[in-house]
Amino acid sequence: QSALTQPASVSGSPGQSITISCTGSGSDIGSYTLVSWYQQHPGKAPKLMIYEVSKRPSGVSNRFSGSKSGNTASLTISGLQAEDEADYYCCSYAGRSTKVFGGGTKLTVL
Amino acid sequence: EVQLVESGGGLIQPGGSLRLSCAASGFTVSDSYVSWVRQAPGKGLEWISVIYSSGSTHYADSVKGRFTISRDTSKNMLYLQMDSLRVDDTAVYYCAREGWGFGEAFDSWGQGTLVTVAS
Repeated sequence: QSALTQPASVSGSPGQSITISCTGSGSDIGSYTLVSWYQQHPGKAPKLMIYEVSKRPSGVSNRFSGSKSGNTASLTISGLQAEDEADYYCCSYAGRSTKVFGGGTKLTVL
Repeated sequence: EVQLVESGGGLIQPGGSLRLSCAASGFTVSDSYVSWVRQAPGKGLEWISVIYSSGSTHYADSVKGRFTISRDTSKNMLYLQMDSLRVDDTAVYYCAREGWGFGEAFDSWGQGTLVTVAS
C-alpha cells in the first residue's frame, strides 16, 4: 500500500493549462480504471473532481479532465482560474478492497 | 441532500482509545460503501478503512488490528473504534461515501474531526 507519486507542486498563469501526474504501479493504477481526483482548499474537505479516470461529476467544470496511460494517471486543468488554486490528490483502487492516495500536489495560480 | 458529520475527536494519550462517529443523512449507510480517510497535519490523504453494504470490512495495513469500523443501521451512523493509538495517528479523520455509479470514488465527505495523540 505505497502512496501514489505526485509532484509536490505545479504552477501556471491564469488562462494557461497545467497537468498533474500520478504514478502508481501495476497493482493499482495499472490494473484498474478506478482512478479519481480530488480538490482540497485549505481547511476544507476534499471535493471529487474526476472519477473512473476521466469522468466528471455533475457540476464540475469541463476545464478539468483526466486520463491514464499504463501506471500513470493525469489531471489536466485548462483555462486556469484563481479559484483553481488548491491541493489536488489522486486516488486509485488497489485491489483487495483497499484504496491508495497520492501524496498531493499544490497548485499555485501565478 | 447527502450530509456526513463526524464527531468524537480530541486529545488522547499514546496507547489510549477513542471512538469516532459519523452521522449520515440523505442516504442509508447500510446500502452504501462508506470509508474513513485521514489527513495528518500538513500531509496528504490516507485511506484507512471501508465498510461495504454487505457488512464486510477492510483496513489499511497501518491500522489493521488496532482500528475497527462499524455501523448502526437504526441510527444511520458510522463508527471508527481506535485502540492502541500512536502519535502518528494524529490527523483529521473524514468519513466519506462511495457514491453509486462513481466507480469507487468518494462523492461526499464530512467536515472532519481532529484526533491528537500526545502525552
